[in-house]
Amino acid sequence: GENVEQHPSTLSVQEGDSAVIKCTYSDSASNYFPWYKQELGKRPQLIIDIRSNVGEKKDQRIAVTLNKTAKHFSLHITETQPEDSAVYFCAASQEGGNNRLAFGKGNQVVVIP
Amino acid sequence: DSGVTQTPKHLITATGQRVTLRCSPRSGDLSVYWYQQSLDQGLQFLIQYYNGEERAKGNILERFSAQQFPDLHSELNLSSLELGDSALYFCASSAGQGPYEQYFGPGTRLTVT
Repeated sequence: GENVEQHPSTLSVQEGDSAVIKCTYSDSASNYFPWYKQELGKRPQLIIDIRSNVGEKKDQRIAVTLNKTAKHFSLHITETQPEDSAVYFCAASQEGGNNRLAFGKGNQVVVIP
Repeated sequence: DSGVTQTPKHLITATGQRVTLRCSPRSGDLSVYWYQQSLDQGLQFLIQYYNGEERAKGNILERFSAQQFPDLHSELNLSSLELGDSALYFCASSAGQGPYEQYFGPGTRLTVT
């Protein structure tokens, strides 16, 4: 089955700097890649997603890039703010496949004011 | 607020007992997914229902079962509970059969003593 890995496990950034989290996946048939943000004790929130027919997608301060050849995708957060502090999960899935989202273990992002 | 509701919020029970967790999807969503989140295992996909039918199965134990009712709400039944079943249980919903754009509920925290 699909295996998703996230790096680094913890990331500390100064407020205003950029943060980048990278995920790798194993199944070349995967074609849907969402990112979720989870604050302590709360539900995972879908913040952005990308499908395999697109190389990059942006939404205000967040963007996701996908490299299908290398089988990795990354989340970019620009102009980080304290409210960006959370655990970020990437996931991968295959349409028409087993329908399951395979999640990475999560990255703790800490924005230092 | 994602529009997905889950009850109860917290549940404390003893080993060997049986509990039922309930989930109501967002209005109009036909798919319900169940996930288990524990500290060491991250977010694990358990099972998906689409319009009342089981659609995909993940790492769900035989002691666990689920169903989706005609009004589209879903219940996850956990029986013969063990200490290791203590975790956060999330349900998520999406509009279609595919894994896209899943929106998570607030979760049920289960503690088995």
